[in-house]
Amino acid sequence: DTEVTQTPKHLVMGMTNKKSLKCEQHMGHRAMYWYKQKAKKPPELMFVYSYEKLSINESVPSRFSPECPNSSLLNLHLHALQPEDSALYLCASSLLAGGVYEQYFGPGTRLTVT
Amino acid sequence: GENVEQHPSTLSVQEGDSAVIKCTYSDSASNYFPWYKQELGKGPQLIIDIRSNVGEKKDQRIAVTLNKTAKHFSLHITETQPEDSAVYFCAAYKNTGNQFYFGTGTSLTVIP
Repeated sequence: DTEVTQTPKHLVMGMTNKKSLKCEQHMGHRAMYWYKQKAKKPPELMFVYSYEKLSINESVPSRFSPECPNSSLLNLHLHALQPEDSALYLCASSLLAGGVYEQYFGPGTRLTVT
Repeated sequence: GENVEQHPSTLSVQEGDSAVIKCTYSDSASNYFPWYKQELGKGPQLIIDIRSNVGEKKDQRIAVTLNKTAKHFSLHITETQPEDSAVYFCAAYKNTGNQFYFGTGTSLTVIP
């Protein structure tokens, strides 16, 4: 089983709202990733967690706050977003970080900021 | 960092024909090259990958070739079917960076 699940599938939020995206995997992977993908563009790396610790933050604005409560779960907390933050947010996981391991993506959350 | 270029950006083929997508990378330390297929409204799906110690890998109708000297790798799809229509992304990875660097994507359309 190579499944990464994400909830919700779609999210519409205003600029003053606070919401969270959730990602889950039960493959025993210890590296988890958040990507942002705009239409017709490749995924852009936002954050990398390795063994539940943040290892890479690609200079993401503080209105995006990641959290990894355990080895199976990854959250992305959203606050005071801008319309340009509307995109597909993808979660991914791999067995470990820092080595050659397959990376598996979830289906994504389509976020619209109004 | 790493720079991955992908060509063509769009590709249309007749059903049953072959499709080839090419990527080049800049960092000779990159050692893993996956290919992803992304259908409309879905996340990228890993379809095939190749490690730097291998020159070619095949899985049914899909194959990937790697030329380390020239720093390029290609995806080959034979006997294309309409369900192969999607956006395909190549990527390059190196251990030290722990990041996947993606190409810009190829929109493949298979015409029935």
